[in-house]
Amino acid sequence: GQSLEQPSEVTAVEGAIVQINCTYQTSGFYGLSWYQQHDGGAPTFLSYNGLDGLEETGRFSSFLSRSDSYGYLLLQELQMKDSASYFCAVRSMAGTASKLTFGTGTRLQVTL
Amino acid sequence: NAGVTQTPKFQVLKTGQSMTLQCAQDMNHNSMYWYRQDPGMGLRLIYYSASEGTTDKGEVPNGYNVSRLNKREFSLRLESAAPSQTSVYFCASRTGPLRETQYFGPGTRLLVL
Repeated sequence: GQSLEQPSEVTAVEGAIVQINCTYQTSGFYGLSWYQQHDGGAPTFLSYNGLDGLEETGRFSSFLSRSDSYGYLLLQELQMKDSASYFCAVRSMAGTASKLTFGTGTRLQVTL
Repeated sequence: NAGVTQTPKFQVLKTGQSMTLQCAQDMNHNSMYWYRQDPGMGLRLIYYSASEGTTDKGEVPNGYNVSRLNKREFSLRLESAAPSQTSVYFCASRTGPLRETQYFGPGTRLLVL
């Protein structure tokens, strides 16, 4: 089975940097994904780490350490529009099928 | 290019009624997925289809059936709705393996009374 842990809520000030951690226990791990979801909206893809290390996409970076079963999402230069829920998700395989198991999400509130 | 579309957007059912949630994607993706999301929770996988003609159970399949009608369409059926199935249902399709991204539809909000 799969289990993921991430903080339930984080608050940060506009312009600041925030890190959202994710630890996981899983069998058949292939990678770690991050998704953003605004209230009432659909999840949207942010980042995927298939290998150890840092992936950078604009203001967002994601890190993975397979040996520690740990990853994080780093958001820089926070903007009000970044207020949303952020989900980490473990990728596993079932035969030829790729599946994601999602954490329960971290609600980020950006304040002035 | 509409991406992933879902119908209906909202639905109210009485206990015991049946309904089918429709999903279609125009990105030529092989893999498609159905998730449910309950308040304050992450997404839980109901069923998935790795390719046209194949379907498999996910984490919470009880009470649901699916059909992969063709490469574009993947429907989810509730044969006898129960209040515990009140949720938001998301369909997704996957590109990969290089980018490993799932694209989600706008969701169907279902209330079972």
